[in-house]
Amino acid sequence: DTEVTQTPKHLVMGMTNKKSLKCEQHMGHRAMYWYKQKAKKPPELMFVYSYEKLSINESVPSRFSPECPNSSLLNLHLHALQPEDSALYLCASSQDSGGGGNQPQHFGDGTRLSIL
Amino acid sequence: SQQGEEDPQALSIQEGENATMNCSYKTSINNLQWYRQNSGRGLVHLILIRSNEREKHSGRLRVTLDTSKKSSSLLITASRAADTASYFCATGGGNKLTFGTGTQLKVEL
Repeated sequence: DTEVTQTPKHLVMGMTNKKSLKCEQHMGHRAMYWYKQKAKKPPELMFVYSYEKLSINESVPSRFSPECPNSSLLNLHLHALQPEDSALYLCASSQDSGGGGNQPQHFGDGTRLSIL
Repeated sequence: SQQGEEDPQALSIQEGENATMNCSYKTSINNLQWYRQNSGRGLVHLILIRSNEREKHSGRLRVTLDTSKKSSSLLITASRAADTASYFCATGGGNKLTFGTGTQLKVEL
């Protein structure tokens, strides 16, 4: 069992749909991350939230819109996605991002997204 | 962009044998971490080694770090079928991790 919970586990959507991915952690972590992972590739960082504020956006297209409503929740809003956006989307958290690179990150099991 | 390159890309061994994976990276780091990913699951943190450390152990895992060569290795001793997974190194610096290309390990009975 992971301490970071992601819903849904699977999502199929059309290119005109709007959907959201959700991530929740109750470890008191103050940094949360979204990654995109294609098959047989490493995770690629998309966004970092630190103390509920967006601190890193890795030049992600605007059709992906992150939101951090509180310190335990992280959402990723999806709109007008393209077939190449099909991937596993992973959420992670760490104690804080001071450094996010200096601490272990705890990952959820991801949402497998398919764009038709 | 990917910071680390791992080799081999794939490794197949028999249960009970040792498995060694190598990671090379390009820029200065504060620390290097290793993660495991089972098929269809998220990543699990295995071990973190800081730039001023040379070797670290955790159970059947041994990690070495050579900052002069910008390389690290992960040794899994007495492997088990349950060790079958992808293994990623990740370099830490600033406020993010950058993952290497990964090694797919298969441990056969």
